[in-house]
Amino acid sequence: QVQLVQSEAEVKKPGASVKVSCKASGYTFTAYFIHWVRQAPGQGLEWMGWINPNSGGTNYAQKFRGRVTMTRDTSISTAYMELSRLASDDTAVYYCSRLVLVPDFNWFDPWGQGTLVTVSS
Amino acid sequence: SYELIQPPSVSVSPGQTASITCSGDKLGDKNACWYQQKPGQSPVVVIYQDAKRPSGIPERFSGSNSGNTATLTISGTQAMDEADYYCQAWDSSTAIFGGGTRLTVL
Repeated sequence: QVQLVQSEAEVKKPGASVKVSCKASGYTFTAYFIHWVRQAPGQGLEWMGWINPNSGGTNYAQKFRGRVTMTRDTSISTAYMELSRLASDDTAVYYCSRLVLVPDFNWFDPWGQGTLVTVSS
Repeated sequence: SYELIQPPSVSVSPGQTASITCSGDKLGDKNACWYQQKPGQSPVVVIYQDAKRPSGIPERFSGSNSGNTATLTISGTQAMDEADYYCQAWDSSTAIFGGGTRLTVL
C-alpha cells in the first residue's frame, strides 16, 4: 500500500537546523509531488511547500523562504525537509504528504506519521 | 493573503447531522478538500473536489461548495467521527488550510 514513513522525533537548540526525512513506498516516487505541512502544538495545519521528486524543483511558502530547503534522493525514494535558524515557535509536528493530482483537482493522500521537532534551550 | 475561516467547534448528538462550514472569498470558484484528524493521528482526506469521497470513506460524509462557503456534512454522526476537521483550498499555488473545527459528539 502507499505509505510515507518519516524520521524520528528531534530535539534542537535555538539557532540550529533540523532535517526530516520522508520515505515513500507502494508507488512510483517520481510521479507525485511531496508537500510538507507542519502543526504546532494544539494549533492548525500550516503548509510549507513542495518538491517535485522527478525534477527536484521546489516551491516554498513565502513565510519559510530563505530558511527551508526541500531535497530528495530518488535512489531511495526519500524526500527531505531541512529548516534552519530554528526558534521556539518552530516546535511542531512536521508532516510530509503526497499530492494526488488529476486534471483540475488534487488532494493530499496519504500523510506521513509526522515528526515532532522540539526547539528548546 | 487568502484566508479560510472555520468555526472553532461544533457539537452534535449521535445519529444527528453535523455541518461544518468553511468560508473564503469566492471559495466556490476553487476546489475544496476536507481532512479529518483524530487525536495523535495524521490527517486523512474525507472529501476532495468539493464533494467527492475517497474510497473507504463512509457515505455519511458529504460536501458542497458554492459562493463563499464550503460545507462538510456528516449524516447520522457516530462517536467515531469525533475529530478535528480542516478545509483546504489553493490560492496562487499556495495551499491554504482553515483553522480547523473540533467536532464533538455528545
